[in-house]
Amino acid sequence: DGGITQSPKYLFRKEGQNVTLSCEQNLNHDAMYWYRQDPGQGLRLIYYSQIVNDFQKGDIAEGYSVSREKKESFPLTVTSAQKNPTAFYLCASSIGGSGTENTEAFFGQGTRLTVV
Amino acid sequence: GNSVTQMEGPVTLSEEAFLTINCTYTATGYPSLFWYVQYPGEGLQLLLKATKADDKGSNKGFEATYRKETTSFHLEKGSVQVSDSAVYFCALMGGGSEKLVFGKGMKLTVNP
Repeated sequence: DGGITQSPKYLFRKEGQNVTLSCEQNLNHDAMYWYRQDPGQGLRLIYYSQIVNDFQKGDIAEGYSVSREKKESFPLTVTSAQKNPTAFYLCASSIGGSGTENTEAFFGQGTRLTVV
Repeated sequence: GNSVTQMEGPVTLSEEAFLTINCTYTATGYPSLFWYVQYPGEGLQLLLKATKADDKGSNKGFEATYRKETTSFHLEKGSVQVSDSAVYFCALMGGGSEKLVFGKGMKLTVNP
């Protein structure tokens, strides 16, 4: 089945620890995105990548890091510098950036991170 | 930068009522426009899209028309069902930016 997979679905982290959220896609998409969702805030862009080995900060990148070593994978690390990490994290992918007609994004099922 | 403004709700309707969710955007050039739906505890699913002016996207009884003159992409459904209860997001991509930009979402509850 083609799709985008996030794991784990639920994740608990102690304060001061780094944690990495997985995102894998087998859609052969070039572009991948990480969003954070909080109640009443909608989706806020953390990082995005248009091509392997390249990524850009979104609107709320502080306290997060990413890598894009493979086309299929775009892991997100929530570092101890992120002061309020409890949230629902969504990964998405799309064929490419602006100028491409079929640019809708496909989303994973999300990871709910809770700091305990 | 590009932005999307949509009705935030929450909105509660009775089954078979008419639904409109307003969405306007700011972008340079000609972005593609989308409506996504999110059911509780899940990721987002594409509901419909339009890629150029005057295009109408439609799916599952929902419709939205890309209006460049008013920079709008309002979502409508003539008769909502309980199963339409979800959060609805308006979004855009392109128009001079690589980012996929979302509105804040609107929670819809439909009562029997």
